[in-house]
Amino acid sequence: EADIYQTPRYLVIGTGKKITLECSQTMGHDKMYWYQQDPGMELHLIHYSYGVNSTEKGDLSSESTVSRIRTEHFPLTLESARPSHTSQYLCASSEYGGGTEAFFGQGTRLTVV
Amino acid sequence: DQQVKQNSPSLSVQEGRISILNCDYTNSMFDYFLWYKKYPAEGPTFLISISSIKDKNEDGRFTVFLNKSAKHLSLHIVPSQPGDSAVYFCAAEDSTSYGKLTFGQGTILTVHP
Repeated sequence: EADIYQTPRYLVIGTGKKITLECSQTMGHDKMYWYQQDPGMELHLIHYSYGVNSTEKGDLSSESTVSRIRTEHFPLTLESARPSHTSQYLCASSEYGGGTEAFFGQGTRLTVV
Repeated sequence: DQQVKQNSPSLSVQEGRISILNCDYTNSMFDYFLWYKKYPAEGPTFLISISSIKDKNEDGRFTVFLNKSAKHLSLHIVPSQPGDSAVYFCAAEDSTSYGKLTFGQGTILTVHP
């Protein structure tokens, strides 16, 4: 059972609002990731972190930002939500990489109206 | 440019028969390949992985085959069960990328009783 949690599971919010998607893991993993997935499409890496105070942008450009102040916590923030941000956001963590599994949270489905 | 491709959006098989899901990749730097399974409204869960130095890895009903020269891998599920019905994602990792995954679009597998 993966110990990685995302809140909220679903969020409908108006254009221009600031939102923060929460992600926490209790496995002590240094590596954490945010992926974005549109329906029927592949997951795209938008942010990753190799440890506290380490954050990098992923392959897909995103207007969101992330922070990593504590090992277990990796929140994603959108300062001003737009309809183009409507998507599913999946958080993951891993211990080693190198073909070992990444554990995913249940995801946050964001709808911006 | 999509580096990991799953060209079959869907696959339907009868319970007890073999399911074969295919995946192609273009980046020769990929060292590891992973398969994830995803149910609706849940995050992906790890199934099986293979290193590029191997051509086969088996775990119970799941076997992954890698043809490095063809840049092709496949996941075999034998025998297929109705509970296997889900979306299956192929993912690839470059060993220098510390766990960052590149995903295919997914294949929807439906196993009929």
